[in-house]
Amino acid sequence: DAGVTQSPTHLIKTRGQQVTLRCSPKSGHDTVSWYQQALGQGPQFIFQYYEEEERQRGNFPDRFSGHQFPNYSSELNVNALLLGDSALYLCASSPLRGGYTFGSGTRLTVV
Amino acid sequence: GQQLNQSPQSMFIQEGEDVSMNCTSSSIFNTWLWYKQDPGEGPVLLIALYKAGELTSNGRLTAQFGITRKDSFLNISASIPSDVGIYFCAGLSSGNTPLVFGKGTRLSVIA
Repeated sequence: DAGVTQSPTHLIKTRGQQVTLRCSPKSGHDTVSWYQQALGQGPQFIFQYYEEEERQRGNFPDRFSGHQFPNYSSELNVNALLLGDSALYLCASSPLRGGYTFGSGTRLTVV
Repeated sequence: GQQLNQSPQSMFIQEGEDVSMNCTSSSIFNTWLWYKQDPGEGPVLLIALYKAGELTSNGRLTAQFGITRKDSFLNISASIPSDVGIYFCAGLSSGNTPLVFGKGTRLSVIA
């Protein structure tokens, strides 16, 4: 049984570009949450998707957007990339309440 | 964004020693979770605590949910080299709220 799968594993982008990160949740999980983890910090909540809608959002600008598909997979999009967006982006899936399982993350470097 | 206060930030211990780390918050949480993160990986759940005062063990790991619901600690007994990594506490206010993470405790074990 595959856990949470994220792609790509690593990515290098230039300032001002746009990026899309992908996440396939663990089988049986219908809720996907995205976190940003800067170097030396704990993960920070970006947003959560359930039933293809954004349910909750953390303190991140509108440049960060997402989508959830009918098969529960999800995408995180970041527009107009800044150097400060360089981080490990983690996807966590869960049933509607609790039981978070994290993927290995996508390491984004903005140059 | 909101984060939990986790201490110590880092620890260097001899193999075989016991380890203790803790996490405090100004807010009440109904669930406390402890994760371990290895380099290049996402956080992996070690222990989940659901009731104030609860003491739970997972092998050499023991964690407790503080009575005030504003703190938790994690103990590791008889440390071994594979215990090396970053340990995060995370709190959950309710089933619908996102996880809030501490900044992590980096554990190094000297053989």
